[in-house]
Amino acid sequence: GAVVSQHPSWVICKSGTSVKIECRSLDFQATTMFWYRQFPKQSLMLMATSNEGSKATYEQGVEKDKFLINHASLTLSTLTVTSAHPEDSSFYICSARDGTRGENEQFFGPGTRLTVL
Amino acid sequence: LAKTTQPISMDSYEGQEVNITCSHNNIATNDYITWYQQFPSQGPRFIIQGYKTKVTNEVASLFIPADRKSSTLSLPRVSLSDTAVYYCLVGAASGGSYIPTFGRGTSLIVHP
Repeated sequence: GAVVSQHPSWVICKSGTSVKIECRSLDFQATTMFWYRQFPKQSLMLMATSNEGSKATYEQGVEKDKFLINHASLTLSTLTVTSAHPEDSSFYICSARDGTRGENEQFFGPGTRLTVL
Repeated sequence: LAKTTQPISMDSYEGQEVNITCSHNNIATNDYITWYQQFPSQGPRFIIQGYKTKVTNEVASLFIPADRKSSTLSLPRVSLSDTAVYYCLVGAASGGSYIPTFGRGTSLIVHP
């Protein structure tokens, strides 16, 4: 089946620094990628949708200048949390969809645990 | 977007069959129903997808009544490793415009 990877799997950083999370589709073309955030004991909250080569579409309440998303190729999307603060500590999950197949099935990455001190 | 409603939590015991029902009253004609399983600190894992009647795979069955306003995920003979959160999502299976959004999910705890 289709595989999506994320790197790093966990990261600890100091408040005020920026952190980049990578999401890769390993064996298919990810024409669309989704970024989710999940706080403890809560559901996944969609942050943004990105299509390859286009600017990401952010959900209401998500700061586009704080959560920078780049989807420059069909196999890679990055989420950069800029000037991270402790309240940004969360579990970040990406998913990818191969739109060339005309199907909406999405494949999830394993997630990245971000801890901001 | 069709909104889904699931029980917040369920408890079961090893070897029992577990049925989790999801309500989606405003499901659209071209919407499919997809169920995911999520373990702590992991990404969701696809379980099963269906449109109507019954779908079965090696891990679960999905029952969808004729009006499609609800669906039931059936897990046969659960084990401790089935303890997880289960989400149902409703959306178009093709067309590229589907934006998958998650409801609260059902936390299943399987006891010895």
